[in-house]
Amino acid sequence: GQQVMQIPQYQHVQEGEDFTTYCNSSTTLSNIQWYKQRPGGHPVFLIQLVKSGEVKKQKRLTFQFGEAKKNSSLHITATQTTDVGTYFCAGDSGGGADGLTFGKGTHLIIQP
Amino acid sequence: DAGVIQSPRHEVTEMGQEVTLRCKPISGHDYLFWYRQTMMRGLELLIYFNNNVPIDDSGMPEDRFSAKMPNASFSTLKIQPSEPRDSAVYFCASSLAPNTGELFFGEGSRLTVL
Repeated sequence: GQQVMQIPQYQHVQEGEDFTTYCNSSTTLSNIQWYKQRPGGHPVFLIQLVKSGEVKKQKRLTFQFGEAKKNSSLHITATQTTDVGTYFCAGDSGGGADGLTFGKGTHLIIQP
Repeated sequence: DAGVIQSPRHEVTEMGQEVTLRCKPISGHDYLFWYRQTMMRGLELLIYFNNNVPIDDSGMPEDRFSAKMPNASFSTLKIQPSEPRDSAVYFCASSLAPNTGELFFGEGSRLTVL
């Protein structure tokens, strides 16, 4: 079945440094979504990418969808303590019946 | 709207006991999902419903797990009998579409089986 891999599993950064997490799928995706989960909280939707090569920005967050629609990345510029949490990608292979497949997430730890 | 509502927020039980988790989706959302989250396995889709009908239950780990959705505003996930390896956070989520729309998660039910 479809597999979605995320790296790194953990990332420690100093406040103000940039952060990037990468997502790779074993199959071509029809779309990819990104979620953020704060410690002790629940996943919250950030964005959805649909088009090959798509780039979307939300303030300090930049999301990219690869040309082959098999990979994606989330980049945070100048991290802040409020960025702490786990970032998940979730892919859909377009089969329609399987629901989204989530990566295991990247845990972002920020040192002040 | 109050969002997806789950209960209980925390459950501690002993091995062998029956556990029932409850979920109220966002009104108007036709899709309801049950996920399990553990450190080892991450977020796993257990089952999802469309218009109260189970569509894909391939993620349900064993016959000990069952889920129902008797109406559009209520779903249950039952574990009977529970085992320590069932300890996890169980999330319910709802959406307007299965794979192309935003998933709205509840706050989760943290289950500990002793």
